[in-house]
Amino acid sequence: GAGVSQSPSNKVTEKGKDVELRCDPISGHTALYWYRQSLGQGLEFLIYFQGNSAPDKSGLPSDRFSAERTGGSVSTLTIQRTQQEDSAVYLCASSFGGGHEQFFGPGTRLTVL
Amino acid sequence: TQLLEQSPQFLSIQEGENLTVYCNSSSVFSSLQWYRQEPGEGPVLLVTVVTGGEVKKLKRLTFQFGDARKDSSLHITAAQTGDTGLYLCAGDGNDDYKLSFGAGTTVTVRA
Repeated sequence: GAGVSQSPSNKVTEKGKDVELRCDPISGHTALYWYRQSLGQGLEFLIYFQGNSAPDKSGLPSDRFSAERTGGSVSTLTIQRTQQEDSAVYLCASSFGGGHEQFFGPGTRLTVL
Repeated sequence: TQLLEQSPQFLSIQEGENLTVYCNSSSVFSSLQWYRQEPGEGPVLLVTVVTGGEVKKLKRLTFQFGDARKDSSLHITAAQTGDTGLYLCAGDGNDDYKLSFGAGTTVTVRA
């Protein structure tokens, strides 16, 4: 498939545990975004990577959240010491660059018990 | 608080009827996008409007951007069951990559 892929599709974890969510962007896309979608809410911007530039982390809700992008391709979003309010769908998107059409993956549904 | 307010939150209509979804803000956007999202999938871009007063048509869907670039509407003519989904609007402000999303309108078209 040539689209954005995310894994796992579903993750259930216990409060206090750490989780890692993975995103494989479309090949050739230099920009990568992470969003969070809670029930009844729109997408909340988390972080933006563009090429080798410093990422825009302004949307990360707390220091328990971090993300990295290795080799300009795959990205992982890590949530440490998960809380119940972290339960949401985490969406990844990629594009040819900032301002270009964003293509979204299917998301990872995270449930924190 | 949502930067973009969408209304209504839910809409259920019979196949063949028309519907309109609204997206309003007090902020000015350089462009505004409409997405459709189905369960278990990510949003898919339908259209981008960039000029105040612009009207774009995509088959049975008509998108309008307000003159002041603060609001937009999506009108579907003769809705079909395949139009069922979550419709999201998103505004592009000062940063050309950081989108602000509305909470979405869940549209259900009954056969």
